[in-house]
Amino acid sequence: QSALTQPVSVSGSPGQSLTISCTGSSRDVGKYDYVSWYQQHPGKAPKLMIYEGSKRPSGVSDRFSGSKSANTASLTISGLQAEDEADYYCCAYGGGSTYVFGTGTKVTVL
Amino acid sequence: EVHLVESGGGLVQPGGSLRLSCAASGFSFSSYYMYWVRQIPGQGLLSVSRINGDASATVYADSVKGRFTISRDNAKNTLYLQMDSLRVEDTAVYYCAGETAYTFDYWGQGTLVTVSS
Repeated sequence: QSALTQPVSVSGSPGQSLTISCTGSSRDVGKYDYVSWYQQHPGKAPKLMIYEGSKRPSGVSDRFSGSKSANTASLTISGLQAEDEADYYCCAYGGGSTYVFGTGTKVTVL
Repeated sequence: EVHLVESGGGLVQPGGSLRLSCAASGFSFSSYYMYWVRQIPGQGLLSVSRINGDASATVYADSVKGRFTISRDNAKNTLYLQMDSLRVEDTAVYYCAGETAYTFDYWGQGTLVTVSS
């Protein structure tokens, strides 16, 4: 399976909203409602931010939201804050106990 | 509080072996599928191997099949990855991760494996 395609970088000013796309195929993103998103600060472990496409784990800010349309999933960060500056990865279930991760997006808060 | 702590990484020559360990606490370890996910510095994430809760089934990425062996000891709440015939391209940070319901809920801090002569 090929990695899911994400933009290399996106940026925004504090308070703004930004959206990160994650494009897969009809075999993964488009087939299953099991897309998750992870935030990773430098040198740190990934942290779950969104699961099953749009659900937030307990403790994750409601400024983070997820959605999906066809073969593309999206993560939106609203009310951008300095602490949101990190790398973000999507992940999709591909069937047969396989998962494919996205290429990663660096979010910069200007 | 959930903790996953990896150990065993280091510098090894091509063709050599390493055994990674991941000590888990704070959650029902035996109920989780456990994964090893690697990240080449500056690059993305790749699922390397998976083992189910009772260790009866394992899955490997094609790039490591036949060279890596995943195992677990539920009595010790510990996950392992035996890595043999290591290649330069295996150089990465290796994370252990716990998965349930199609989501990687928990991640360790990672251990760096460097394969170089």
